[in-house]
Amino acid sequence: EVQLVESGGGLVKPGGSLRLSCAASGFTFSTYSMNWVRQAPGKGLEWVSSISRSSDYTHYADSVKGRFTISRDNAKNSLYLQMNSLRAEDTAVYYCVSSPYNGVSGYWGQGSLVTVSS
Amino acid sequence: QSVLTQPPSVSAAPGQKVTISCSGSSSNIGNNYVSWYQQLPGTAPKFLIYDNNKRPSGIPDRFSGSKSGTSATLGITGLQTGDEANYYCGTWDSSLSVGVFGGGTKLTVL
Repeated sequence: EVQLVESGGGLVKPGGSLRLSCAASGFTFSTYSMNWVRQAPGKGLEWVSSISRSSDYTHYADSVKGRFTISRDNAKNSLYLQMNSLRAEDTAVYYCVSSPYNGVSGYWGQGSLVTVSS
Repeated sequence: QSVLTQPPSVSAAPGQKVTISCSGSSSNIGNNYVSWYQQLPGTAPKFLIYDNNKRPSGIPDRFSGSKSGTSATLGITGLQTGDEANYYCGTWDSSLSVGVFGGGTKLTVL
């Protein structure tokens, strides 16, 4: 069974930092591009960042560029999102998402809530 | 404002059929695979359709996806009350090198 389990969310003050992790199991993690997608309370989905299978390529939404860093460790089947200089508007549930590949569907994690507030 | 355009809401009676449209451009839908996601109330989204028209295992064939040019469509037949959810389309934008989503469509089964 495919599982993506996010952790590391919580309450942080504006300007603070947080590191999200996503533990993957049930599939060959190293063969899939991975993404972070967030959803602010009562709002729609917002793509945040993507990373290629071997970390050759990373992409970021303009809203987080320069503040967030995506990374992965294929040996540990893990995806990360380092979030610095956090703002109130970064408050959201953050989802770890695997991209479809080679005719196989992607998957979503259950999400991790990040709240930025003083 | 979302890069992909979806109707905010659709509704139909149980047993009926509904379609949800997703409009984009040549740099996103026109040249990349489209996925559809279902988000039931209080839960995480899940893949409903990927690669334009493929269904993950466990998704009933009442759900279908299609793409033509710079638009994609999600179809749901035999509507059930359990289908009430928010539905999102998503794809990659090759010009911007970013992922893009539609604003979401709330389906009400009357």
